[in-house]
Amino acid sequence: GQQLNQSPQSMFIQEGEDVSMNCTSSSIFNTWLWYKQDPGEGPVLLIALYKAGELTSNGRLTAQFGITRKDSFLNISASIPSDVGIYFCAGQLWRTSYDKVIFGPGTSLSVIP
Amino acid sequence: GAVVSQHPSRVICKSGTSVKIECRSLDFQATTMFWYRQFPKQSLMLMATSNEGSKATYEQGVEKDKFLINHASLTLSTLTVTSAHPEDSSFYICSASRRIQGENTEAFFGQGTRLTVV
Repeated sequence: GQQLNQSPQSMFIQEGEDVSMNCTSSSIFNTWLWYKQDPGEGPVLLIALYKAGELTSNGRLTAQFGITRKDSFLNISASIPSDVGIYFCAGQLWRTSYDKVIFGPGTSLSVIP
Repeated sequence: GAVVSQHPSRVICKSGTSVKIECRSLDFQATTMFWYRQFPKQSLMLMATSNEGSKATYEQGVEKDKFLINHASLTLSTLTVTSAHPEDSSFYICSASRRIQGENTEAFFGQGTRLTVV
């Protein structure tokens, strides 16, 4: 079946450092979505990407839709303690009959004050 | 962003009973609603996809008679875990998607329901 791969699996960084994580697949995606999940909560949408090559920012977050439509990355600049959580990439598969969205395994981010 | 409300947030039930979880999109009409299951420290696993007025499409390995999905309107979907057993204990999350910019989709999530079967 379709799979999304996310790396790294986990990160431990100092407060103030920049963070980069990415998501890859062997399938082509129509849409890339990045979410953050806090413990015991549902995921919250951070950034949505709709066009190959698109680069979008949301505050300290920047994400890009890869030109091949098979990858995406998320950058967080000047990390702060509240950035701690699990970051999931998700994608809507190209030319599916319904709006199926699948998730990557997640990147766990820990920020050391 | 759009708001999706999931209820209840936590439920504890006895083995053999059924539990219903509701998912509502509060400020938009959802094209499609999804149900996910998440085990501790794992990603979200899609269980089923439902469109209003039609039968849900279940992912491989998900028992449709065990996890009943009703999608009564464009703003409400329910998941009923029938004859629940301890192995059904998990975090269940719904999401509702809406189309924007042609074929593109945004998906918004409920707060999740922590189900514990004792």
